[in-house]
Amino acid sequence: EAEVAQSPRYKITEKSQAVAFWCDPISGHATLYWYRQILGQGPELLVQFQDESVVDDSQLPKDRFSAERLKGVDSTLKIQPAELGDSAMYLCASSLWTSGSSNEQFFGPGTRLTVL
Amino acid sequence: LAKTTQPISMDSYEGQEVNITCSHNNIATNDYITWYQQFPSQGPRFIIQGYKTKVTNEVASLFIPADRKSSTLSLPRVSLSDTAVYYCLVGDMITGGGNKLTFGTGTQLKVEL
Repeated sequence: EAEVAQSPRYKITEKSQAVAFWCDPISGHATLYWYRQILGQGPELLVQFQDESVVDDSQLPKDRFSAERLKGVDSTLKIQPAELGDSAMYLCASSLWTSGSSNEQFFGPGTRLTVL
Repeated sequence: LAKTTQPISMDSYEGQEVNITCSHNNIATNDYITWYQQFPSQGPRFIIQGYKTKVTNEVASLFIPADRKSSTLSLPRVSLSDTAVYYCLVGDMITGGGNKLTFGTGTQLKVEL
């Protein structure tokens, strides 16, 4: 069964350092999402791509976060510099949504970030 | 996006049927109702989606009344492995708003022996 891949699974970094997360969606899924989930809360959408284009990054803290999906396949989310409040699970998801159909999003295992 | 309200937590015992109700008073005409399940340290997993009346799949049923202002996820004969957080979401599946999902805090279901 096809799955969304993410790496690393865990990342510990110090405040002010740069970190990067990688996501490989399910083959053929044009839509890719990055979420942040703080412990005890639901996932919060950070950025959504349709192929290589950003369609929604309204919740992305653009002063320190950046995301790219250069070839419309895999994607990288970067934080620079990391802050203590960035400690969370970062989830990637992909979907094959078309109008009028079920938008089942497939989530990866996530990257647990701890900022010290 | 329609706001949803669901109980923070629920407790049940193995073998019982569990019904989790979600309120979405401001649901729009194009909005569909979707439920996800999430285990600790894993990403959410799609359970079921519906627009009106009743939808059933191999793991759950979704009941939606005529006014669509609420919905109920029904899990038959739960087991310990159903202990998880369940999220109710609404989104536009016709024009694209549902492409973006807004998760609330979900319902923590705890199943005991």
